[in-house]
Amino acid sequence: AQKITQTQPGMFVQEKEAVTLDCTYDTSDPSYGLFWYKQPSSGEMIFLIYQGSYDQQNATEGRYSLNFQKARKSANLVISASQLGDSAMYFCAMREGRAGNQFYFGTGTSLTVIP
Amino acid sequence: DGGITQSPKYLFRKEGQNVTLSCEQNLNHDAMYWYRQDPGQGLRLIYYSQIVNDFQKGDIAEGYSVSREKKESFPLTVTSAQKNPTAFYLCASSIDERGTTNEKLFFGSGTQLSVL
Repeated sequence: AQKITQTQPGMFVQEKEAVTLDCTYDTSDPSYGLFWYKQPSSGEMIFLIYQGSYDQQNATEGRYSLNFQKARKSANLVISASQLGDSAMYFCAMREGRAGNQFYFGTGTSLTVIP
Repeated sequence: DGGITQSPKYLFRKEGQNVTLSCEQNLNHDAMYWYRQDPGQGLRLIYYSQIVNDFQKGDIAEGYSVSREKKESFPLTVTSAQKNPTAFYLCASSIDERGTTNEKLFFGSGTQLSVL
């Protein structure tokens, strides 16, 4: 089974609007970390936000917030007030707490911000 | 500035040739990783190393080899056995701290490998 599932291959959003990128995960480990990365066309991977499985509150970093629903095993990324520079690929990832150190990535969502 | 340096940015391989991709980090991270990314796809783990002189196969290790003789360096060799090597290769590192944002992966800027 896929550890990370991103079901939206492509998304469009109007500039200054908010957008939600979906991510569901699969793990039986009670301890895990969830991550979102942005990959512009240049190819670099930019870390956006982190959510720990024991964190009580949803993580926020500037215009980015993570809608963490533990029972549903979802970790959706919300980008508020979209900007043209937000156009990129977005990847959700998970790292389980047990030994092994593997990070699992989803297939990504391509976001296009429309002026 | 601390970070991860990958070189070269672009690399071309001839048939039957082995090529080596360089990855150096000055973040003092114990763990290092190599990922492969095909166009429009996610990242797939090739190899990872948690400490010097130790490394583990990832999901797609066939046709690749690595070494970890120094903490700072984790070179990846794409051997002639890898029949479809054209892809974007990303090196990453992390510390072994859990439960905080510090456990995130730090990435290099990538190497685009193409077959001539």
